[in-house]
Amino acid sequence: QSALTQPPSASGSFGQSVTISCTGTSSDVGYYDYVSWYQHNPGKPPKLIIFEVTKRPSGVPDRFSGSKSGNTASLTVSGLQAEDEADYYCCSYGGNDNFYVFGTGTKVTVL
Amino acid sequence: QVTLKESGPALVKPTQTLTLTCTFSGFSFNTGMCVGWVRQSPGKALEWLAFIDWDGDKSYSPSLKTRLTISKDTSKNQVVLVMTSMDPVDTATYYCARIDESRDAFDMWGQGTKVAVSS
Repeated sequence: QSALTQPPSASGSFGQSVTISCTGTSSDVGYYDYVSWYQHNPGKPPKLIIFEVTKRPSGVPDRFSGSKSGNTASLTVSGLQAEDEADYYCCSYGGNDNFYVFGTGTKVTVL
Repeated sequence: QVTLKESGPALVKPTQTLTLTCTFSGFSFNTGMCVGWVRQSPGKALEWLAFIDWDGDKSYSPSLKTRLTISKDTSKNQVVLVMTSMDPVDTATYYCARIDESRDAFDMWGQGTKVAVSS
């Protein structure tokens, strides 16, 4: 099963917003509401920031929000901060044949 | 405090078998909990490898399932991943992570362990 498709990079000015897309298929993103997003800084482990498409774990700022339409999920980071510069990965449940499929990753730059 | 820590060799030779151990604490490996493995090769995306649930049910990435075996030792709070026929393309940082089935997400991660495959 192929990885979910994300844009390689995205950028936004300090204080502005950036939205990252994550495109899958009708067998994963489009079928299940089990899309999660991870923030990954070099040398550190990934950090869960969104689960079940829209939910945030405790401690994650509400500047991070998730949504889904059809086969595409999206992560929006509002009020960009310098510390938001990182790689971001989506992940979807893919059913019994391939439980978890990660996205190709997006590097976010704060201008 | 939930912690997970990976351990294993930093270097393996091509064709050898890699054994990685994830030792966890701060949570009970019971109903609704799973532990999985994810890797990231240099310059590449995260890749899910396998997971095992509280009941011992296992699942593997279709592309790697013939090479992977995952097991658990609940008494030691450990999950072990064995990968056979190692190749230089398997050079990566390997992470173990907790999967909370109520969230269906990897909610806690270990720091990762780097594994190089080279002769």
